[in-house]
Amino acid sequence: DAGVIQSPRHEVTEMGQEVTLRCKPISGHDYLFWYRQTMMRGLELLIYFNNNVPIDDSGMPEDRFSAKMPNASFSTLKIQPSEPRDSAVYFCASSPRDRTGELFFGEGSRLTVL
Amino acid sequence: GDSVTQMEGPVTLSEEAFLTINCTYTATGYPSLFWYVQYPGEGLQLLLKATKADDKGSNKGFEATYRKETTSFHLEKGSVQVSDSAVYFCALSRANTGNQFYFGTGTSLTVIP
Repeated sequence: DAGVIQSPRHEVTEMGQEVTLRCKPISGHDYLFWYRQTMMRGLELLIYFNNNVPIDDSGMPEDRFSAKMPNASFSTLKIQPSEPRDSAVYFCASSPRDRTGELFFGEGSRLTVL
Repeated sequence: GDSVTQMEGPVTLSEEAFLTINCTYTATGYPSLFWYVQYPGEGLQLLLKATKADDKGSNKGFEATYRKETTSFHLEKGSVQVSDSAVYFCALSRANTGNQFYFGTGTSLTVIP
């Protein structure tokens, strides 16, 4: 079975531009998470969904960040406008309904904002 | 609130050395505990887990025992290999937090031949 698929793997953009990161979770998983990883702050949870509904977005840094999950097989994380401090690796992960189940991570999208 | 504290890195060991990475947690109730590993350029992947007190998780020669009395879940391996070089994350999850995971800051391990 395919794992969590993220795109793009690498994105280089200029400050002020809109960035959209995409994620396809594992089929049948009910939970989807967006994480950000930086050297300074480690792994931070940005938002997570249950059955396509956002449950906790308290980790979203500010209004420039938004996330959607229009259906069970697709989610986006958008940054508009982007800033250099948004440079990081963004991971999507999904998890099955079993609440003690493991997280399955994608390979990440490395974002560089110049 | 829930949290995980793990040993600061980086850790550098010679091949075949013994590895311990300490992890302690704070949580109410009975969380599940996990160790995840991140190889360079990749996402995190589950290494092992334990879902109740005194359980021992094991995989690829790594072990960790869920110790409720000391709120710990230390990762150990008797003989590390160069291929074990990675970043290791301790994590917990509680069912009544909506499957939310809490990760430690990660410990970087480098194994030299």
